[in-house]
Amino acid sequence: DVKVTQSSRYLVKRTGEKVFLECVQDMDHENMFWYRQDPGLGLRLIYFSYDVKMKEKGDIPEGYSVSREKKERFSLILESASTNQTSMYLCASSFGGQNEKLFFGSGTQLSVL
Amino acid sequence: AQSVTQPDIHITVSEGASLELRCNYSYGATPYLFWYVQSPGQGLQLLLKYFSGDTLVQGIKGFEAEFKRSQSSFNLRKPSVHWSDAAEYFCAVAFNQAGTALIFGKGTTLSVSS
Repeated sequence: DVKVTQSSRYLVKRTGEKVFLECVQDMDHENMFWYRQDPGLGLRLIYFSYDVKMKEKGDIPEGYSVSREKKERFSLILESASTNQTSMYLCASSFGGQNEKLFFGSGTQLSVL
Repeated sequence: AQSVTQPDIHITVSEGASLELRCNYSYGATPYLFWYVQSPGQGLQLLLKYFSGDTLVQGIKGFEAEFKRSQSSFNLRKPSVHWSDAAEYFCAVAFNQAGTALIFGKGTTLSVSS
């Protein structure tokens, strides 16, 4: 089975800290995605990547950056965490193409105090 | 603008009753359509998807969905709901444009009463 692993299930950080959320997939998928999930807002796309060292902005990229140095790893970076970034963060991956099934990690619940 | 809408935020259905969750999209052509389910504390799991062909698609766990081009809809159905179906359901679309990714609706929470 495909496995998408997010390094932390729960994370608590302070305002202004630099935060790294890590995601690793083990199926050689080309595509990787970061979403945030908030009650009543569903999943909103932050960034995605179609290949190593490539990235595309999603719907809400402000305050975030990403890094994809290796195909299996896609990192989400909060340069200076703020309280409005408290959320559930979901990583996903898929094979190339836009009609491919997404495989999701279990999520990281980030609290910024 | 391209969008996907799930009109119902929360639905309660009696166990054994039928279920229909609504999904509408806004796009000039036919997108790729998906339904995902998220059980409490879990990641999202794909229930079914539609790309082309037969407009009635079968998925896992006894779910099906019907694509209706004239209504820009892709509603999810199940003839008889089980208590374990209580979860949050997300409709998602992939618009056939380079540089775009899957867009999700805001979700519908399903509660099942006994």
